[in-house]
Amino acid sequence: DAGITQSPRHKVTETGTPVTLRCHQTENHRYMYWYRQDPGHGLRLIHYSYGVKDTDKGEVSDGYSVSRSKTEDFLLTLESATSSQTSVYFCAISESKAAKNIQYFGAGTRLSVL
Amino acid sequence: AQKVTQAQTEISVVEKEDVTLDCVYETRDTTYYLFWYKQPPSGELVFLIRRNSFDEQNEISGRYSWNFQKSTSSFNFTITASQVVDSAVYFCALSEAVEAAGNKLTFGGGTRVLVKP
Repeated sequence: DAGITQSPRHKVTETGTPVTLRCHQTENHRYMYWYRQDPGHGLRLIHYSYGVKDTDKGEVSDGYSVSRSKTEDFLLTLESATSSQTSVYFCAISESKAAKNIQYFGAGTRLSVL
Repeated sequence: AQKVTQAQTEISVVEKEDVTLDCVYETRDTTYYLFWYKQPPSGELVFLIRRNSFDEQNEISGRYSWNFQKSTSSFNFTITASQVVDSAVYFCALSEAVEAAGNKLTFGGGTRVLVKP
């Protein structure tokens, strides 16, 4: 257990509404990541963080923003949700030292945008 | 740009058969890491193995084995004597070895394995 909690686990929302997903970790890992999983695409990186207030874009960042004000929390915000953002969202953590760059994933958040 | 291709979208086998999952990757980096993850029907992602680009030794862990061939840019995964509990989606992934930027993973599309009793 890598001590990662995602909330909420399920959410249904309407197009145009803002949505925030939370990833909380208990083990003080430096790196945190947000991915989305869609059929046929595997997982794709949305945003990642390499420290408090240090974030950068991933492959599919359009329409998403993130914040990391504390080591333990990494928030993903959909400013105005669209149906194309219906997906399963996974948070991951890693230490990224040479011997420890394995990513461990949270349980996922299933988001439906109607 | 990095790319991972898992050409097999779904494989169906009968219990006790062996099954091999193919993974082909593309990268310009000389140092990189390859991973396999398992996603059972419950949905979580479970880490199985990490291999760095300098280590081409094959690895065996119980009924699981991995064959890394740099010459063909492949990192294939074999389940020997499959069991129903092996039914899952398996993902191959690739990351650079750039510590300052973290190790962003590029995933393949996944292969769904269905093991029938």
